[in-house]
Amino acid sequence: GENVEQHPSTLSVQEGDSAVIKCTYSDSASNYFPWYKQELGKRPQLIIDIRSNVGEKKDQRIAVTLNKTAKHFSLHITETQPEDSAVYFCAVSGAGSYQLTFGKGTKLSVIP
Amino acid sequence: GAGVSQTPSNKVTEKGKYVELRCDPISGHTALYWYRQSLGQGPEFLIYFQGTGAADDSGLPNDRFFAVRPEGSVSTLKIQRTERGDSAVYLCASSLQGGMNTEAFFGQGTRLTVV
Repeated sequence: GENVEQHPSTLSVQEGDSAVIKCTYSDSASNYFPWYKQELGKRPQLIIDIRSNVGEKKDQRIAVTLNKTAKHFSLHITETQPEDSAVYFCAVSGAGSYQLTFGKGTKLSVIP
Repeated sequence: GAGVSQTPSNKVTEKGKYVELRCDPISGHTALYWYRQSLGQGPEFLIYFQGTGAADDSGLPNDRFFAVRPEGSVSTLKIQRTERGDSAVYLCASSLQGGMNTEAFFGQGTRLTVV
């Protein structure tokens, strides 16, 4: 089955700095790559996603890049704010599969 | 409703007991998913429904776990003879049509504690 690895497990940045979280996956047929943000005790919420026919997608301060050859994708958050503090999960969905396989998460702390 | 609703929000049960967890998906969403999230981990897939039928139950850990969606809307996850290792947050998600690459909206989860 699909294997997703996410790094780092924890990340602390100063407010205003950038944060980058990386994920690798194993199944070269995977074609959907969402990122979820989960605040403590709350539901995971989709913040951005990318499909395999696109290399990069941006939404205000958030961007995702995908390298299909290397089988990795990254979340980039610029100008971080304290409210960005949360656990971020990458996920992967493969061709012919409806299920998402999640990484183990990255706890991001933005220090004011 | 405005979002995916799960009840109860918390459930404490004794080892060996039977529990039912309920999920109300977003109105009109034909696809429904159950995931399980252990502390410090990402959600793990359990089962996927398209309409009333379980299209993929490959994530159910064993035959103590069962889920139904009799009318294609509300779903119930049933766990028999609960074990301490079943303790986790059980998340339900729904999506508009269940095709691949469609956004899944999650509920707040049911925190199950088996003592």
